Amino acid sequence: TQLLEQSPQFLSIQEGENLTVYCNSSSVFSSLQWYRQEPGEGPVLLVTVVTGGEVKKLKRLTFQFGDARKDSSLHITAAQPGDTGLYLCAGARGATNKLIFGTGTLLAVQP
Amino acid sequence: NAGVTQTPKFRVLKTGQSMTLLCAQDMNHEYMYWYRQDPGMGLRLIHYSVGEGTTAKGEVPDGYNVSRLKKQNFLLGLESAAPSQTSVYFCASRKIGTLHTDTQYFGPGTRLTVL
Repeated sequence: TQLLEQSPQFLSIQEGENLTVYCNSSSVFSSLQWYRQEPGEGPVLLVTVVTGGEVKKLKRLTFQFGDARKDSSLHITAAQPGDTGLYLCAGARGATNKLIFGTGTLLAVQP
Repeated sequence: NAGVTQTPKFRVLKTGQSMTLLCAQDMNHEYMYWYRQDPGMGLRLIHYSVGEGTTAKGEVPDGYNVSRLKKQNFLLGLESAAPSQTSVYFCASRKIGTLHTDTQYFGPGTRLTVL
């Protein structure tokens, strides 16, 4: 059972465009993380959001945690080729904060 | 400080063969995890450990065993490999902390093919 669904699954855009990736679930999470993964490497943490409604900005990336802590979004402004990669959301649950990963969004930014 | 390392990087097995994947971390982290990554499915947790000498099942534990004899190492074993275990395997570790500091550090992965 996949608890976290990401959309879109694939996204190919031109440099300079804006985009939003969604991460949705019917379950509540204690925190939500976003990772980026490049080919041949492991995922690297971008951000952790903990509070419902929380918004965090990381340069051109804006992350939002839903009010009910069930969903999240990642917005990239003026995308650059260096943003290309697989974006994964992950929700933490349980006493040991095990992560449930989303299905992933593969982003390609063309120069 | 190497972070999280995994050996081997690539491996091809025949059905029924066995192998062990090694994960090592030099950050003195208490928690360690083994995931598998398959296309369109994100990462799924196989087994995890909250400390030396302890292990627990994750989301997809069948066909795998693990051991954490030393704090810095977490081994993943396949006793009798099956084609369904063809995947990329990632190890991760994290220290005990608050939700805001709950960062998992991932290794570079092991690409396993079972023929």
